[in-house]
Amino acid sequence: GEDVEQSLFLSVREGDSSVINCTYTDSSSTYLYWYKQEPGAGLQLLTYIFSNMDMKQDQRLTVLLNKKDKHLSLRIADTQTGDSAIYFCAERYSSASKIIFGSGTRLSIRP
Amino acid sequence: EAQVTQNPRYLITVTGKKLTVTCSQNMNHEYMSWYRQDPGLGLRQIYYSMNVEVTDKGDVPEGYKVSRKEKRNFPLILESPSPNQTSLYFCASSSGAGGGNNEQFFGPGTRLTVL
Repeated sequence: GEDVEQSLFLSVREGDSSVINCTYTDSSSTYLYWYKQEPGAGLQLLTYIFSNMDMKQDQRLTVLLNKKDKHLSLRIADTQTGDSAIYFCAERYSSASKIIFGSGTRLSIRP
Repeated sequence: EAQVTQNPRYLITVTGKKLTVTCSQNMNHEYMSWYRQDPGLGLRQIYYSMNVEVTDKGDVPEGYKVSRKEKRNFPLILESPSPNQTSLYFCASSSGAGGGNNEQFFGPGTRLTVL
């Protein structure tokens, strides 16, 4: 069945790069997403990548997709305190109606 | 302002007392969905709706009902809540099924506690 896995926690020093990793199982996924959830708020779409792409860059965010290993990563350059949040990886399943979310990675920033 | 609203934001209730969590969107979106968020489990889809009068089960539909009589509203109904339904609930909407540019917009969440 479909599954999306992430580590639960990541701690980085302010100014360093953060790399959040995700693995998924459905090789027929068409889109893969990264969502950000700040405390007390809903999820906000950060970025997405189409499955025929290897990389997508958007300002401080870089998404890398390794289809062979079914591995997705989100790199945040120059991590700031405002980046503290839970980051969810998600895949759009082959049927149009379903998006599967990972458990979320809580990113904390050290001074 | 384009948004998804949920009410109530917080609710404490007792086992067996029927409740409804409302969800409304002002973006004329066809697709709406309910998720529950539990620690270590991420978001799990409860029900979704592709359009008015079209609803279908997600991954964890047991104990829940939904209806879609109007495009803007998608209420979540718990006929007989139980403690294992204590969770954080999110409603989401999108113009399509949430793929690519059809971004899913999430409501602020409803924290439900069932005693």
